[in-house]
Amino acid sequence: DTAVSQTPKYLVTQMGNDKSIKCEQNLGHDTMYWYKQDSKKFLKIMFSYNNKELIINETVPNRFSPKSPDKAHLNLHINSLELGDSAVYFCASSQGLRNTEAFFGQGTRLTVV
Amino acid sequence: GQSLEQPSEVTAVEGAIVQINCTYQTSGFYGLSWYQQHDGGAPTFLSYNALDGLEETGRFSSFLSRSDSYGYLLLQELQMKDSASYFCAVRPRGQNFVFGPGTRLSVLP
Repeated sequence: DTAVSQTPKYLVTQMGNDKSIKCEQNLGHDTMYWYKQDSKKFLKIMFSYNNKELIINETVPNRFSPKSPDKAHLNLHINSLELGDSAVYFCASSQGLRNTEAFFGQGTRLTVV
Repeated sequence: GQSLEQPSEVTAVEGAIVQINCTYQTSGFYGLSWYQQHDGGAPTFLSYNALDGLEETGRFSSFLSRSDSYGYLLLQELQMKDSASYFCAVRPRGQNFVFGPGTRLSVLP
């Protein structure tokens, strides 16, 4: 069973479109995250949720809106996609806010054309 | 703010030992973690140092010295499959994970 799964794995879309990426974890963790990895492989946190509540929102354009319907799911919706949004987006989860071990999904490669 | 520094690339041959360093400018964090990421894959957790000293997990060991703001990942008996990017990460108190820029390890036959 996949611990953290996100869909789709690949997403190609045109500028200006709106798209969503879904994430689910079956580890029973209470904290979930979204990361963006750019072409230089730099991993940057975007959001973190603890028990469905937004804990930290890094400096991210408000075109990005996370939604956590329950502790096991954290979806990412992106409005008005721009070329610079092209990247690999990773969902991750951990148990607790102090835990330093995070489990990552397989990533969603978003290409905006 | 917090920042971590790692060498961008390291090359070694099969069977060798390689050390990947991580220096940081942050305080009040829970510990230093290491992640491995193969091309096209997801980061996977390797090790965690909460306290100063050496932690060993099979062929991999990790070290932390808070007084020196320094840590490293030691990989022994290198195998071709160890070719990947390696990231150090810290979690400052009350904040999200901060990852280093990553070190690309190439293992040559």
